[in-house]
Order: sequence, then structure tokens, then C-alpha cells
Amino acid sequence: QQQVKQSPQSLIVQKGGISIINCAYENTAFDYFPWYQQFPGKGPALLIAIRPDVSEKKEGRFTISFNKSAKQFSLHIMDSQPGDSATYFCAASIRGSYIPTFGRGTSLIVHP
Amino acid sequence: NAGVTQTPKFQVLKTGQSMTLQCAQDMNHNSMYWYRQDPGMGLRLIYYSASEGTTDKGEVPNGYNVSRLNKREFSLRLESAAPSQTSVYFCASSPTGDNQPQHFGDGTRLSIL
Repeated sequence: QQQVKQSPQSLIVQKGGISIINCAYENTAFDYFPWYQQFPGKGPALLIAIRPDVSEKKEGRFTISFNKSAKQFSLHIMDSQPGDSATYFCAASIRGSYIPTFGRGTSLIVHP
Repeated sequence: NAGVTQTPKFQVLKTGQSMTLQCAQDMNHNSMYWYRQDPGMGLRLIYYSASEGTTDKGEVPNGYNVSRLNKREFSLRLESAAPSQTSVYFCASSPTGDNQPQHFGDGTRLSIL
């Protein structure tokens, strides 16, 4: 059973465009939602994270939007650059748990 | 900081051979994890260790064993490798505390012929 559903599986964007990756969850006990970025040949690394007491968090060109009532959260990459080409994973975890539930990942390609 | 170090980076095995993947972290983290990554399947948890001296099964433990050797080291063993275990294996660690992010190594790419 897939507890965190991530879409799309792959995404192609032109340089300067906006990349949007969506995740949906069922378990209302989730209360921490990190996004990880993975470059080819490397392990995932934390990009940005949000807790459900805020609806949006922005770090540079990366923004997480969180909709608690819809049980959805999304990653927006503004002014996408070729260097943003990577696989992105959303995740969710429950307070007190050290085991996150990962989405299946989105492969982003940003064309120059 | 080295962070999480995995060895080897690449390995080719024949069906039935055994192998141990090594992982060490230098961040004094209590929790450590082993994942496998396959195309379209994301990261699937094989085993984890909440703290030194404890290990627990994850989502896909069959065919694997683990050892938490000490606080720094967490190894993954394939006793009799099968082609279905061809994958990229990632070790991760995290500190104690609510909702801490995981820190990943760069993976071991394992092919089983």
C-alpha cells in the first residue's frame, strides 16, 4: 500500500520555467514532510522540509506548499535551471518515528 | 566531514555468492538504515537500527541480514545473492529526536548475474 503518492513520475521543463511536483498522503498522523534531491550517482539529500502548522515554506527558488485539508503537498521550483535536473523524493513521517515514508520519486530534466 | 561512507561503490556477483555491504557514519547518529532503490519503485527500506544493539525489519527484508557492529557501523549481508537483488543500495543515518532528516551515503551499485 503506497502511503505517499508522488506525481508525475517524470517531468521535462525548459530553463526559466516552473517545475511542480505533487504528493498526496492518507495518514493524518504524518506531521513532517521533507523533500529530498538526488543527483545521478549520489545519495538523496534533504532539500527542504515543512511541518503542517504552516501552509508554505520558501528557500530560495524552492517552495513547499502544504494543504492539510486536502492532504497534499507540493514542491515548486521557480526559474528552473539545468543544474536542478535530478530526482526528487517527497516523504512523510509521524512524530516520534524515525522511519519516513517516501514517494516513488520524480525525475526532473531541465532543458537549457 | 565524511558523513555516511559506503563500500564498495560497485560490485558484480554471480548468483549464489555472498557479500557484505559496509556502511559507516561519523555524525554520532543513533539511527541507521538500509534502502534499495529500483527504477520506478523509489526507496524501499530493507532493515533499520534505531540504536546500537537493535535491528528491525523494514519493507523488503527477505534475502538480507544486517549487523549493527557499533554506533558508527551498520552492515548489510546477502547470504545467497539472486538476480532480483540487483539494485542500488543506500545506507542512511539520522540523529535522535522528532522528525529528523536522514543523511544518505552515495550508494553501492550491485549487479548479480
